[in-house]
Amino acid sequence: KQEVTQIPAALSVPEGENLVLNCSFTDSAIYNLQWFRQDPGKGLTSLLLIQSSQREQTSGRLNASLDKSSGRSTLYIAASQPGDSATYLCAVSGGSYIPTFGRGTSLIVHP
Amino acid sequence: DADVTQTPRNRITKTGKRIMLECSQTKGHDRMYWYRQDPGLGLRLIYYSFDVKDINKGEISDGYSVSRQAQAKFSLSLESAIPNQTALYFCATSDTRTYQETQYFGPGTRLLVL
Repeated sequence: KQEVTQIPAALSVPEGENLVLNCSFTDSAIYNLQWFRQDPGKGLTSLLLIQSSQREQTSGRLNASLDKSSGRSTLYIAASQPGDSATYLCAVSGGSYIPTFGRGTSLIVHP
Repeated sequence: DADVTQTPRNRITKTGKRIMLECSQTKGHDRMYWYRQDPGLGLRLIYYSFDVKDINKGEISDGYSVSRQAQAKFSLSLESAIPNQTALYFCATSDTRTYQETQYFGPGTRLLVL
C-alpha cells in the first residue's frame, strides 16, 4: 500500500524567503505526482503535475521535482508572499490512477 | 460558473438520518471521485467511478453508497448517518483522454452529524 509523507507538517516564514516543501512515498512504481494547494475551508487546486517520466515541472514561482528512485518530491516556492499562505498537499498515483494523498504542509507567510 | 459543483455546501443532520450529497461537473470528464477530509488525517477515498457503469469502493466505503446518474453527476449517500461521519466531503473529476489525469475538486460539503 502506497504511503505518502509530507514534512514539515507546518511552516512559518517571513515574506520573501525561498522555501522547500518535501513529499516522500514508499512505492516508486508511480504514474504521476501532483501538488495541490488548499485554502482554509476550500477545495483543492492543482498546482503542478509531474509524470513518472519527468524530473520537474515549473509554473511561475513554483518548481516541483521528482526523484522516483528515492521516492521523493520537492516543491520549491521562490520569493514567498503572504498570498502563498495555505496548505500544500502532495498526491501520488499508481497504475490504477487513484491518488494517495499526504496530510499536507500548512504554510504561513507573514509580512 | 464553477466546473465542479457540490450541493449542499453545509449540512447538519441527526444520527440515523439518510442524507445525500450531490456533485455535478461541466468539464466532460469521465472519472469522478468522492473523498472525505478529517483534521490530521488528510484526504481518504470513499468511492470512485471510471464511467457511468463502473463504480468502485475506495479506502473507507463502509456506511456510504454512491450513484452515477449520468457522466456529469455522482451522488454520495449516507444510509444512516453517525457522528464519526462528520467531516468535509469533496468530489473530484479527472479525464483519461488528457493522459495526465489531473484531478479537479469541488468546493466541498461540510457535514455535521449530531
